[in-house]
Amino acid sequence: QVQLQESGPGLVKPSGTLSLTCAVSDDSIISSHWWSWVRQPPGKGLEWIGEIYHSGSTNYNPSLKSRVTILVDKSKNQFSLKLISVTAADTAVYYCARDHLHGSSFGLWGRGTLVTVSS
Amino acid sequence: QSALTQPASVSGSPGQSITISCTGTSSDVGSYDLVSWYQQYPGKAPKLMIYEGSKRPSGVSNHFSGSKSGNTASLTISGLQAEDEADYYCCSYAGSSTYVFGTGTKVTVL
Repeated sequence: QVQLQESGPGLVKPSGTLSLTCAVSDDSIISSHWWSWVRQPPGKGLEWIGEIYHSGSTNYNPSLKSRVTILVDKSKNQFSLKLISVTAADTAVYYCARDHLHGSSFGLWGRGTLVTVSS
Repeated sequence: QSALTQPASVSGSPGQSITISCTGTSSDVGSYDLVSWYQQYPGKAPKLMIYEGSKRPSGVSNHFSGSKSGNTASLTISGLQAEDEADYYCCSYAGSSTYVFGTGTKVTVL
């Protein structure tokens, strides 16, 4: 059964860099899927951050594009998120997700990890 | 790219049908048959319920259905059950390889 697992620091200082990894198990990162990051501030709605294909091709939310980098590590079967210059507004549960049937929806999700931006 | 608009809350009695609307623009919902719907319980990850507007993934109950008219997509839950009480989010392809989510709707079973 395919699983996604997010990991990374739960606390980041303002103006610092948020770095998370999503480990993929029982599927190959080089399968024909797009791999995404989605976040949800406490008590608020979902926001798509961006996605990556195993070739390294990426697409980003225009509102976050200047601060986001998503990378893939084929050797470790995982992909990562880096968000720079964070503020309290970036405090959220961060989910990694896989597309459904190679289409434009998100069929498989990780359990999510809470990242708090605070000094 | 603004969030799609959903009602904050919708409620119904067991056995009733409810519909959640998701209003976008001609740049997202209105231009593509690529709206998906997600169910989310508190503290849990979202679950895909509808994709490509009206298709159900394997294992999703057929009392969930999706449709679209113009710039508005809808999720209908027929025969409302206690376990349907959750938050629901729509999501649309928004062109240029980007996606936009809705504001979310809390469904309450009375």
